[in-house]
Amino acid sequence: GQSLEQPSEVTAVEGAIVQINCTYQTSGFYGLSWYQQHDGGAPTFLSYNALDGLEETGRFSSFLSRSDSYGYLLLQELQMKDSASYFCAVPDQTGANNLFFGTGTRLTVIP
Amino acid sequence: DAMVIQNPRYQVTQFGKPVTLSCSQTLNHNVMYWYQQKSSQAPKLLFHYYDKDFNNEADTPDNFQSRRPNTSFCFLDIRSPGLGDAAMYLCATSPGGGNEQYFGPGTRLTVT
Repeated sequence: GQSLEQPSEVTAVEGAIVQINCTYQTSGFYGLSWYQQHDGGAPTFLSYNALDGLEETGRFSSFLSRSDSYGYLLLQELQMKDSASYFCAVPDQTGANNLFFGTGTRLTVIP
Repeated sequence: DAMVIQNPRYQVTQFGKPVTLSCSQTLNHNVMYWYQQKSSQAPKLLFHYYDKDFNNEADTPDNFQSRRPNTSFCFLDIRSPGLGDAAMYLCATSPGGGNEQYFGPGTRLTVT
């Protein structure tokens, strides 16, 4: 089968750094994506890692280690508006056009 | 701005009364998806179209049908909604690969 494990909740202080981990189990790995979803809103694409290493996009960075079947999303200089759910996702085993989403991590940023 | 549009944003239907949700896109993407998302859960794929090729997920109930009459539009038909079908329904598009998808704002369906 296919599975993606994430912590269900994370709380961090405004201005701090937080790391959201994702471990995956899938056959035929084609990359790890991250999505942000605010309450009542739609998921928004944040990043994609196909190869090992760190990808940086502004305050957000994403890391992948294929040998460890592990990745993380790093959020720096946290802002209140970063409070949201964050999902990691991999292409579905049935077809590379589809995404299989992780369980999601709810990030709460506190003052 | 190019975007994915879903109508209506909120839909209330009665138990067993058919309902249709619509999605349109101005991104000219080949692939369109329908997801169901229940509270505090991950989006769950129901269907996707690669151009006009329809792909049904194995565990999508027969109660759910979809149509894509052209590149820009896609519809989700729920033939006999049950209380368990109350959820947010998300439409998404992708230019060809699955990793980067563009989601619409969703339609929140309530079944009374």
